[in-house]
Amino acid sequence: DIQMTQSPSSLSASVGDRVTIGCRASQSINSYVNWYQQIPGKAPKLLIYAASSLQSGVPSRFSGSGSGTDFTLTIRSLQPEDFGTYYCQQSYITPYTFGQGTKLEIK
Amino acid sequence: VQLVESGGGLVQPGGSLRLSCAASGFTFSYYDMSWVRQAPGKGLEWVSYISDGGGTIQYAGSVKGRFSISRDNAKKSLYLEMNSLRAEDTAVYYCARTIKGWELHFDYWGQGTLVTVSS
Repeated sequence: DIQMTQSPSSLSASVGDRVTIGCRASQSINSYVNWYQQIPGKAPKLLIYAASSLQSGVPSRFSGSGSGTDFTLTIRSLQPEDFGTYYCQQSYITPYTFGQGTKLEIK
Repeated sequence: VQLVESGGGLVQPGGSLRLSCAASGFTFSYYDMSWVRQAPGKGLEWVSYISDGGGTIQYAGSVKGRFSISRDNAKKSLYLEMNSLRAEDTAVYYCARTIKGWELHFDYWGQGTLVTVSS
């Protein structure tokens, strides 16, 4: 199975900050990476698919980049509603595996 | 788009349970679907996938041979039949609409239904 490793596991940032979350795949997966946000008690929400495509309705402050084994989710100007846990997920091959999550707290 | 899961509950180890997911707000028969689960306090785990017509089905290794995914397009419903349940199957189970082109992603999720396997 392909392992997806996120960094950091948690972080705290202030409103207006630029935040970067990393995701590394255990083998090359081209651009087959998606990013989700999960607020406690809620279902995950798709933010970015195919490494860099913004899902419809998602604010443009979210962006994704990377290919091969290293991927990044960037939040350009952090807003209070951006708290939660962020997951990367590979769709290169089954089983479709997720990273362990990055918990983002707003200072 | 709305996805509403049901059928979760408390079941003993070795028991069975059938989850359902009722879809509305989109043409269900046009879309692939998946089940994803989340153990309490843990991360997300993909469980199973079914294509729009039901002709392609895939499972995670941890559930293969025990779980069965199916769909009824006339009823706009997705199902997960779970047998030989184990404590490690305890989780919130989400159904997710699945977009599969050259890549695959889960664009809409239900609110989840909790399955607890315990004696």
